[in-house]
Amino acid sequence: KAGVTQTPRYLIKTRGQQVTLSCSPISGHRSVSWYQQTPGQGLQFLFEYFSETQRNKGNFPGRFSGRQFSNSRSEMNVSTLELGDSALYLCASSSDGNYGYTFGSGTRLTVV
Amino acid sequence: AQTVTQSQPEMSVQEAETVTLSCTYDTSENNYYLFWYKQPPSRQMILVIRQEAYKQQNATENRFSVNFQKAAKSFSLKISDSQLGDTAMYFCAFMGNAGGTSYGKLTFGQGTILTVHP
Repeated sequence: KAGVTQTPRYLIKTRGQQVTLSCSPISGHRSVSWYQQTPGQGLQFLFEYFSETQRNKGNFPGRFSGRQFSNSRSEMNVSTLELGDSALYLCASSSDGNYGYTFGSGTRLTVV
Repeated sequence: AQTVTQSQPEMSVQEAETVTLSCTYDTSENNYYLFWYKQPPSRQMILVIRQEAYKQQNATENRFSVNFQKAAKSFSLKISDSQLGDTAMYFCAFMGNAGGTSYGKLTFGQGTILTVHP
């Protein structure tokens, strides 16, 4: 059974640009969550999607958005990138969140 | 809002010995889930163990076990017979069960770096 796949693994962008990160969940998993991980703030919840609907959202500015497709694949978009957006972005999927989430290897975003 | 606190930034242990990582949390919910995740240098988060708050019995997974004290809001992880491959950052995490703002949201502690020495 394939795990959670995140692409790309590394990304370098310039301030002001926008970026789209992709996440393919484990087959059959309908819940997909996104997290931002930085040395200073740790792991912070961005949002969760279930069956193409955003059910929950963390405390991030509107520049951070996401979506989920009918095949449960998810994308997150960050517009007008800032230096502080440099982080490891983790995607996780679950069939039933109460049993825990399976994480991908993350996308390392560097904003210069 | 829930908070999770891991008071040990770093721990070290000799191979084959036992180590305990501490975690406390704060919540007003009665039913919730607690997890320990491991993040090795490869950076992929791996689920180590899971505990349901309404179950009094402590969860165990091979060499990993927890000491869940609901009244004290404490959830420690014990690793027995430590192995070199256990070297990683360990995160304690909370997930509520109240729907709404709980959906898909794990609240993580700041992590404990565990180093296993040969």
